[in-house]
Amino acid sequence: DAGVTQSPTHLIKTRGQQVTLRCSPKSGHDTVSWYQQALGQGPQFIFQYYEEEERQRGNFPDRFSGHQFPNYSSELNVNALLLGDSALYLCASSLADHTGELFFGEGSRLTVL
Amino acid sequence: LAKTTQPISMDSYEGQEVNITCSHNNIATNDYITWYQQFPSQGPRFIIQGYKTKVTNEVASLFIPADRKSSTLSLPRVSLSDTAVYYCLVGPYNYGQNFVFGPGTRLSVLP
Repeated sequence: DAGVTQSPTHLIKTRGQQVTLRCSPKSGHDTVSWYQQALGQGPQFIFQYYEEEERQRGNFPDRFSGHQFPNYSSELNVNALLLGDSALYLCASSLADHTGELFFGEGSRLTVL
Repeated sequence: LAKTTQPISMDSYEGQEVNITCSHNNIATNDYITWYQQFPSQGPRFIIQGYKTKVTNEVASLFIPADRKSSTLSLPRVSLSDTAVYYCLVGPYNYGQNFVFGPGTRLSVLP
């Protein structure tokens, strides 16, 4: 049973560019959440998708947007990249009727130069 | 969401029992306590969750006193591979989708 998979694992962008990160949830899961983790800090919640709609959103600007597809996979898009967007981006999947357990992928390491 | 406070770092030696305490004075009646473990360059991994008293699984035990204002994660006989960051999270059962992660406790297990 495949767990949560994310791509790409690493990428380098320059300021002002746009990036798309992808996530495939654990088999059977219907909800995807995205987190940003800066070096030395805990993960910070960006947003959550369920039934192809953004259900909850954290304190992130509109430059951060997402999408969920009918197969429950998800994308995170970040426009007009800033140096401060350099971080590990984590995707977590769960069931809408969950037990409090999130399953995380290994993340996409974004470096903005 | 209830604010949590836990030590920034702890050191231990192989074979010892490690107890990491988390304070959550403002915990609400419908809040659960959940612990995650994170290794470098990996996503967090669920360890254990509880509401009151004691919960034990194959990895750890979670002790929660009657007032629920704190909780203690207990790792029996740690090994070098237990070196990681441990996060204590508090929130309603149905709020787990956007848990608030603090800085966590960085546990270093020494030989």
